[in-house]
Amino acid sequence: DAGVTQSPTHLIKTRGQQVTLRCSPKSGHDTVSWYQQALGQGPQFIFQYYEEEERQRGNFPDRFSGHQFPNYSSELNVNALLLGDSALYLCASRDRGTDTQYFGPGTRLTVL
Amino acid sequence: GNSVTQMEGPVTLSEEAFLTINCTYTATGYPSLFWYVQYPGEGLQLLLKATKADDKGSNKGFEATYRKETTSFHLEKGSVQVSDSAVYFCALNFGNEKLTFGTGTRLTIIP
Repeated sequence: DAGVTQSPTHLIKTRGQQVTLRCSPKSGHDTVSWYQQALGQGPQFIFQYYEEEERQRGNFPDRFSGHQFPNYSSELNVNALLLGDSALYLCASRDRGTDTQYFGPGTRLTVL
Repeated sequence: GNSVTQMEGPVTLSEEAFLTINCTYTATGYPSLFWYVQYPGEGLQLLLKATKADDKGSNKGFEATYRKETTSFHLEKGSVQVSDSAVYFCALNFGNEKLTFGTGTRLTIIP
């Protein structure tokens, strides 16, 4: 059984560009959350998707948007990239039975 | 709002030493509590969890007990190994809501 998968592994962009990150949840999981982890910090919640809708949102600007597809996979989009957006972006899917979130390996985004 | 405070690192121990990483939380109500571990260059792995007061989570020799009276969830291991070197995160949530993390504690084990 595959765990949470994310693509790409690494990404380099320049300021002002746009980026799309992708996540596939564990089999049987229908809720996907995205987190941003800056270097040396704990992950910060960006938003959560369930039934193709954004259900919760953290303190992130509208430049951060997302989408969930009917197969429960999800995308995170960031527009007008800033240097401060450089971070590890983590996707987590939720096991409804245990209310536990399982994380993918992350996408390392570098903004130059 | 909810918050998690973790013992500041880095922590360096010799192999087979006893480990404690402190974690306290502030929350309205009784959250579920978690320890996640992050090995170099990887994402987060769930290490253990506890969902109610006095529950003890355990995995791979690590233990943590949910202490409601002290709002704590300290991580312990009796004898650490070099392979335990990683960053450890304490976290809380309520049901299907977001996880709130501490800042992490970097642990290095010396042979």
